[in-house]
Amino acid sequence: DAKTTQPPSMDCAEGRAANLPCNHSTISGNEYVYWYRQIHSQGPQYIIHGLKNNETNEMASLIITEDRKSSTLILPHATLRDTAVYYCIVRVAGTGNQFYFGTGTSLTVIP
Amino acid sequence: GAVVSQHPSWVICKSGTSVKIECRSLDFQATTMFWYRQFPKQSLMLMATSNEGSKATYEQGVEKDKFLINHASLTLSTLTVTSAHPEDSSFYICSARDSDEQYFGPGTRLTVT
Repeated sequence: DAKTTQPPSMDCAEGRAANLPCNHSTISGNEYVYWYRQIHSQGPQYIIHGLKNNETNEMASLIITEDRKSSTLILPHATLRDTAVYYCIVRVAGTGNQFYFGTGTSLTVIP
Repeated sequence: GAVVSQHPSWVICKSGTSVKIECRSLDFQATTMFWYRQFPKQSLMLMATSNEGSKATYEQGVEKDKFLINHASLTLSTLTVTSAHPEDSSFYICSARDSDEQYFGPGTRLTVT
């Protein structure tokens, strides 16, 4: 699986949009971009995933660049409960392949 | 979404004893389950891939005789930490595959004294 690079930490004001970047310059054509988050002492929680088109669900939006070498996870209105470590992972979907976690971004939402 | 549970949520054991952690898929059948370990302030590290009815596949550097994995049914995988030592103290997380996606359990905090 392709490696990802994320900033180690970010702050965001409550109520503002949180934009979390991820670089995956070696991504292959059949690899999806997944985002998970982990709140302290809990298991990872699925957020969203996409291949090349932008995706949106009730939790977040995922913007993938045209060359697919980077992406941005957007939490439109961050709340204190969004404070967590966010992981960007690339893998081939539908194969049962393992998820290999990088170091992630520790997002702190500030009141 | 699909639910994965783990039991126990936390356990304290004495050095030299063995501890079993259960991972269950509650509302789906999982032919493949994964076990991760996470030390404080570090990321999740994949330990092994568990396939129902066959031997687990361990990641490089993970001792298969120390971390025994059994996947006897489509809804249950167990991880047994044998002869536990303080350095095995960690947060153990399982995940289960449901068709194309993986769902993670809440984790088990193991403390070896």
